Amino acid sequence: GNSVTQMEGPVTLSEEAFLTINCTYTATGYPSLFWYVQYPGEGLQLLLKATKADDKGSNKGFEATYRKETTSFHLEKGSVQVSDSAVYFCALQPTGGGNKLTFGTGTQLKVEL
Amino acid sequence: DAGVIQSPRHEVTEMGQEVTLRCKPISGHNSLFWYRQTMMRGLELLIYFNNNVPIDDSGMPEDRFSAKMPNASFSTLKIQPSEPRDSAVYFCASSLAVRVGETQYFGPGTRLLVL
Repeated sequence: GNSVTQMEGPVTLSEEAFLTINCTYTATGYPSLFWYVQYPGEGLQLLLKATKADDKGSNKGFEATYRKETTSFHLEKGSVQVSDSAVYFCALQPTGGGNKLTFGTGTQLKVEL
Repeated sequence: DAGVIQSPRHEVTEMGQEVTLRCKPISGHNSLFWYRQTMMRGLELLIYFNNNVPIDDSGMPEDRFSAKMPNASFSTLKIQPSEPRDSAVYFCASSLAVRVGETQYFGPGTRLLVL
């Protein structure tokens, strides 16, 4: 079946540090891949997505590249801010499965001054 | 534009009571999803609708849970009778279509506590 594996958190960084949150997936075919972010007390918001291999999604300084060969979609940001503190979810949407999402367990990011 | 609207935002009830959660999707969106989030199980898809028709309810935990979508602008998730293990945050999401790559837009959630 389809599954998403994310690195466990919490990840604690100092402001302006480089961020990487690892995400790997298991799926048949060519799923679409997403990163959603959840701020405290809020619902999930789409951060970025990629719908085919080698695509790079980017938004608000965050980037992730769809790597078919390694079945990965790692999230990166060059310089994090305190306001980036949130929980980040990697998700996949299988081909031919409507637009159901399978989510990873989420990675909490804490950014400190 | 208004996003996905959920009500109530918080609900505290006693075991055995009926609970009804409500959702208004984004206008023009044809797909609606109900999720449950807990610390132990993460985010789980309970059921989703396309054009008001339930497409996949395989995630609905048991017969105590039911969901309806009587029209394109309203959906309910009902738990009867409620149990303490139903305590969770319930999210509703909507998307424009059932299509690969389509983004789901989430509501703020309903935090349910069953005592």
